[in-house]
Amino acid sequence: DAKTTQPNSMESNEEEPVHLPCNHSTISGTDYIHWYRQLPSQGPEYVIHGLTSNVNNRMASLAIAEDRKSSTLILHRATLRDAAVYYCILRDESTNFGNEKLTFGTGTRLTIIP
Amino acid sequence: SAVISQKPSRDICQRGTSLTIQCQVDSQVTMMFWYRQQPGQSLTLIATANQGSEATYESGFVIDKFPISRPNLTFSTLTVSNMSPEDSSIYLCSVEGTEAFFGQGTRLTVV
Repeated sequence: DAKTTQPNSMESNEEEPVHLPCNHSTISGTDYIHWYRQLPSQGPEYVIHGLTSNVNNRMASLAIAEDRKSSTLILHRATLRDAAVYYCILRDESTNFGNEKLTFGTGTRLTIIP
Repeated sequence: SAVISQKPSRDICQRGTSLTIQCQVDSQVTMMFWYRQQPGQSLTLIATANQGSEATYESGFVIDKFPISRPNLTFSTLTVSNMSPEDSSIYLCSVEGTEAFFGQGTRLTVV
């Protein structure tokens, strides 16, 4: 599996935007970029995913670099509830779409400052 | 979407014993996945459970230690056998489609 690199930790003030970076320089053409987050004492939850184009949903936005070697998860207005570990994961969808395992890295621990 | 019920939510077990963790999904799914999350660490995949066939284990995990059952398309169990303190972890099941859904996890402490 292609590897991702994320900062170990980040801090942000409440009600401000947060940009969480992820580097994936060895990404292949069939790798989708997925983001999950794990709130304290809970299982991971899906945030967003994309292939080439930027994506928006109710939780966040995903900005993907033109060469796809990096991406940024954007939380537009952080709340205390957004404090979690955020995982950037590449998943190869070329042969078994939707049934490929997720390989978790160490993620970024996001702290929100009130 | 999928709702996953996992139980027990936590347990404290004596070394040398075994614990079976149950995972129930509210819809039929082809594959279910079992993960381990050691204290302060990320998630590591233990095995993939496909209904009607033997589970596929990741490197470092063996069937004798982590036997898995998958009797139907909505249910799976993971057993942690002959436990030692090193098995103290959170164990999670998931189902994965376009987006994955995870159970709340089972926090296991072995004493």
